[in-house]
Amino acid sequence: GQSLEQPSEVTAVEGAIVQINCTYQTSGFYGLSWYQQHDGGAPTFLSYNALDGLEETGRFSSFLSRSDSYGYLLLQELQMKDSASYFCAVFNQAGTALIFGKGTTLSVSS
Amino acid sequence: DAMVIQNPRYQVTQFGKPVTLSCSQTLNHNVMYWYQQKSSQAPKLLFHYYDKDFNNEADTPDNFQSRRPNTSFCFLDIRSPGLGDAAMYLCATSAPSPPGAPTEAFFGQGTRLTVV
Repeated sequence: GQSLEQPSEVTAVEGAIVQINCTYQTSGFYGLSWYQQHDGGAPTFLSYNALDGLEETGRFSSFLSRSDSYGYLLLQELQMKDSASYFCAVFNQAGTALIFGKGTTLSVSS
Repeated sequence: DAMVIQNPRYQVTQFGKPVTLSCSQTLNHNVMYWYQQKSSQAPKLLFHYYDKDFNNEADTPDNFQSRRPNTSFCFLDIRSPGLGDAAMYLCATSAPSPPGAPTEAFFGQGTRLTVV
């Protein structure tokens, strides 16, 4: 099966940088995804890492180390609107089901 | 343009009264999922369809059923809703890509179910 561990809460101030870590155990691994979800909204896709290294998309970056079964989401120049839950996720071995970690609630204050 | 559409956005049902939630997609993806998400929790996968093949998660209660009459539509039926079934229900789709796994799931806006 799949299990993913991430911190439950992170707090930061506007303009800061925050890193949300995720460790995973999977039977069969294709890549690590990150999703953002605002209160009352649907999860929205942020990034996907299939290979080791850093992927950068604007203020957000995601990193993967397959040998360590570890990844992180890096959020830079934090804004109030970044306050949300962030989930790491992997597909199952068959590639047919997306399994989420428990989520990290990010609170950004001014 | 919305690609995964869930109706209704809000649903109130009576305890024990069957209710059906709907999902449609314009992406032509062959995988469709239903998730249940309770407050401050992660989405929990209930089941998914790969084309017409139905896959039930082991811990999904029998009270929850699903139908997929065609590629575009998928329904979640709750036969006898209990108070504990109040949650956000999320529909999502994905399509496998080489070398075998999709990279992204596309979510609808969800249906918030209230049981009274």
